[in-house]
Amino acid sequence: GAGVSQSPSNKVTEKGKDVELRCDPISGHTALYWYRQRLGQGLEFLIYFQGNSAPDKSGLPSDRFSAERTGESVSTLTIQRTQQEDSAVYLCASSRRAGHEQFFGPGTRLTVL
Amino acid sequence: AQSVTQLGSHVSVSEGALVLLRCNYSSSVPPYLFWYVQYPNQGLQLLLKYTSAATLVKGINGFEAEFKKSETSFHLTKPSAHMSDAAEYFCAVSLQTGANNLFFGTGTRLTVIP
Repeated sequence: GAGVSQSPSNKVTEKGKDVELRCDPISGHTALYWYRQRLGQGLEFLIYFQGNSAPDKSGLPSDRFSAERTGESVSTLTIQRTQQEDSAVYLCASSRRAGHEQFFGPGTRLTVL
Repeated sequence: AQSVTQLGSHVSVSEGALVLLRCNYSSSVPPYLFWYVQYPNQGLQLLLKYTSAATLVKGINGFEAEFKKSETSFHLTKPSAHMSDAAEYFCAVSLQTGANNLFFGTGTRLTVIP
């Protein structure tokens, strides 16, 4: 596709369940970023992948959060044992490489009941 | 450390009036600076960016921003607001080297009054 895509667009889950969010970056983009946008707040950086290098996980809020990326393709963000405070829009972005413009997907709105 | 402060979570202007959205940054090294816009139910879209070239940066939809190092500011302006400019605007900063993950401000919601 022409842009970054994310699925699902909306996810409602019960507290304590695990969720998986998917991001398909723009083809050829080596850098991929995950951000979280809580209601009424700015975006928080979560994790960054660049090619086959070890990811920068410095933004992950707890060990319940993890992400994987296979090569330079799809990435999944996993949240284990979800809590109500995890409710947010999770945004994925990709760029040709680090330092270039980031293109954002439409986000996944996660609601934890 | 890098951070961004956006003054005013909500700004209202009349159609045709000047738009001024404020952004101040803090960075220990020379930064890259960005303005993103988020229209209702859409993803973030880059309006403009400063990458250490010209200090006055022109972006899409008639917006521009000026990098002022002495004031650590990167305010966004548009001479004449249009109804279609109603959206949420985010200022962001990143390092000129390294991962370049973005540090975002909390956003300013712009309302345009007809």
